[in-house]
Amino acid sequence: DTGVSQDPRHKITKRGQNVTFRCDPISEHNRLYWYRQTLGQGPEFLTYFQNEAQLEKSRLLSDRFSAERPKGSFSTLEIQRTEQGDSAMYLCASSLDGYSSGANVLTFGAGSRLTVL
Amino acid sequence: GEDVEQSLFLSVREGDSSVINCTYTDSSSTYLYWYKQEPGAGLQLLTYIFSNMDMKQDQRLTVLLNKKDKHLSLRIADTQTGDSAIYFCAERSPNTGNQFYFGTGTSLTVIP
Repeated sequence: DTGVSQDPRHKITKRGQNVTFRCDPISEHNRLYWYRQTLGQGPEFLTYFQNEAQLEKSRLLSDRFSAERPKGSFSTLEIQRTEQGDSAMYLCASSLDGYSSGANVLTFGAGSRLTVL
Repeated sequence: GEDVEQSLFLSVREGDSSVINCTYTDSSSTYLYWYKQEPGAGLQLLTYIFSNMDMKQDQRLTVLLNKKDKHLSLRIADTQTGDSAIYFCAERSPNTGNQFYFGTGTSLTVIP
């Protein structure tokens, strides 16, 4: 297993365009999280999935943002009508669920950096 | 469970010990974490501590937890230039749906 993979690593787009990021978690991890990180800040929680079910969404996730995990494996995060304020690093992380020790640890991907011009 | 605070910057000389501090507000936090982030990379888990522990040691890393003061620290012994990075404290609490909340990070600079 190569860990959590994110694609693309960098995306530059013009304001108003749509962008989509993909995350492939560690294969046996059934929880998948999306975080946003802006310069000088820690990661801010956006949403998470348990298998294919989206269990929680942050108030940061406006209606321009949508996340899916259709088969409980990879996930996509789409931002519609991008704004300059959307420029950030989008981090994906995964974990086991339940009460195992692995459920208490997030493994992060390298992130997808979005720049909106 | 969302207020996790850290000082922004720390500079130390190579070979000295570094101590990075963190305070949190949720007394129900069950796990507390230290993550490391190098430029352009994601977060790498360094260590974590369960709330019923006071101390955890792992090679050059020592974590101290003071539950009464809601204070967590990370000590790096014999700090090396490769330790230069941003260090994030995080906490997880059943009060917040077991979400992970991160501090703003401490940028550690190791001077050769």
